[in-house]
Amino acid sequence: KQEVTQIPAALSVPEGENLVLNCSFTDSAIYNLQWFRQDPGKGLTSLLLIQSSQREQTSGRLNASLDKSSGRSTLYIAASQPGDSATYLCAVGTGANNLFFGTGTRLTVIP
Amino acid sequence: NAGVTQTPKFQVLKTGQSMTLQCAQDMNHEYMSWYRQDPGMGLRLIHYSVGAGITDQGEVPNGYNVSRSTTEDFPLRLLSAAPSQTSVYFCASSPLWTGKEKLFFGSGTQLSVL
Repeated sequence: KQEVTQIPAALSVPEGENLVLNCSFTDSAIYNLQWFRQDPGKGLTSLLLIQSSQREQTSGRLNASLDKSSGRSTLYIAASQPGDSATYLCAVGTGANNLFFGTGTRLTVIP
Repeated sequence: NAGVTQTPKFQVLKTGQSMTLQCAQDMNHEYMSWYRQDPGMGLRLIHYSVGAGITDQGEVPNGYNVSRSTTEDFPLRLLSAAPSQTSVYFCASSPLWTGKEKLFFGSGTQLSVL
């Protein structure tokens, strides 16, 4: 069974800092990897999707990378803002129509 | 553009009661799914559907039932609620399941079973 781990569980940074969130997974046979954002009491919003044949995806200040061979992905957030405060979830898609989720990293950006 | 709509947002049940969580999407997505989110655990797949009339079990299907009579709707039924089913439930959809499409989530239903 695919297991997804996210470290750290929580992170506080001052506004303007660049930061990296980490995700690791145990089975490299994946369809894709998605990074989601979840605000308190809200649903999940997909930020970036990396297909299994790709190495990275970028959207604005966000950049996600994927290294299937080592079972790792990183989400890089440049010039963090207080509005970036949320929980970030990593999820690995498999051929069995399933996403396996990590438990998330709770990010706080301090003004 | 409503996206994925879940109702109700909050629900309290007594042990043994049954209820249906509603999910509707207006994006003509073929793939729909139900997840539950529990503290300290990642979201886990309950059931999913790849099109009208087709459903299948996910990782934690026991105690839940689904049907997909239309492309738009994918209700989740709790047959006899148990305290272990206290959780936040999310419905999600995507155009297909090919590895290239993002998953769109509803805002969730917070369920408490007493």
